Amino acid sequence: GQSLEQPSEVTAVEGAIVQINCTYQTSGFYGLSWYQQHDGGAPTFLSYNALDGLEETGRFSSFLSRSDSYGYLLLQELQMKDSASYFCALYNTDKLIFGTGTRLQVFP
Amino acid sequence: NAGVTQTPKFQVLKTGQSMTLQCAQDMNHEYMSWYRQDPGMGLRLIHYSVGAGITDQGEVPNGYNVSRSTTEDFPLRLLSAAPSQTSVYFCASKTSGGANEQFFGPGTRLTVL
Repeated sequence: GQSLEQPSEVTAVEGAIVQINCTYQTSGFYGLSWYQQHDGGAPTFLSYNALDGLEETGRFSSFLSRSDSYGYLLLQELQMKDSASYFCALYNTDKLIFGTGTRLQVFP
Repeated sequence: NAGVTQTPKFQVLKTGQSMTLQCAQDMNHEYMSWYRQDPGMGLRLIHYSVGAGITDQGEVPNGYNVSRSTTEDFPLRLLSAAPSQTSVYFCASKTSGGANEQFFGPGTRLTVL
């Protein structure tokens, strides 16, 4: 099977940088995705790493290391609106399997 | 484009009742899927479809049926509702291959008494 582990909660202040880690166990996969979900809302796609290394999209970056079974989402110049839950997800054979999520709270 | 739409937004059922959650997308996506999300938890895959006429089981398929007669629609049927099926249900769609971006509907909040 597949499993993904994330910290349950992370806190930071506006303007700071925060890293949300994701470790996984799987026999094989195509890539690692990250999704954002605000309270009461639907998940929205942030990024996808098919290859090892860093992918940058504006203030957000995502990293994957297959040899370490590890990835992270880096959020820079934090804003209050970044307060949300963040999920990593493994894509494998037409299935997207989600981690349990990390709740990010941004304080002024 | 409306994107992914789901109906109803809210539903209360009694144990043993059956119902169908509707999902439709107007983006001509081949891939569609259903997830459930319990409070404070991640999303768990129920069923998915890679195209019309093709469906397959996800992580938690028991108690649910799906069909895919058209590209646009992917209904989820609860055969005999149980309190353990109280959850928020999300439908999602994406193109095959590519960056793997799934587009989610707004969700259906289901309570089974």
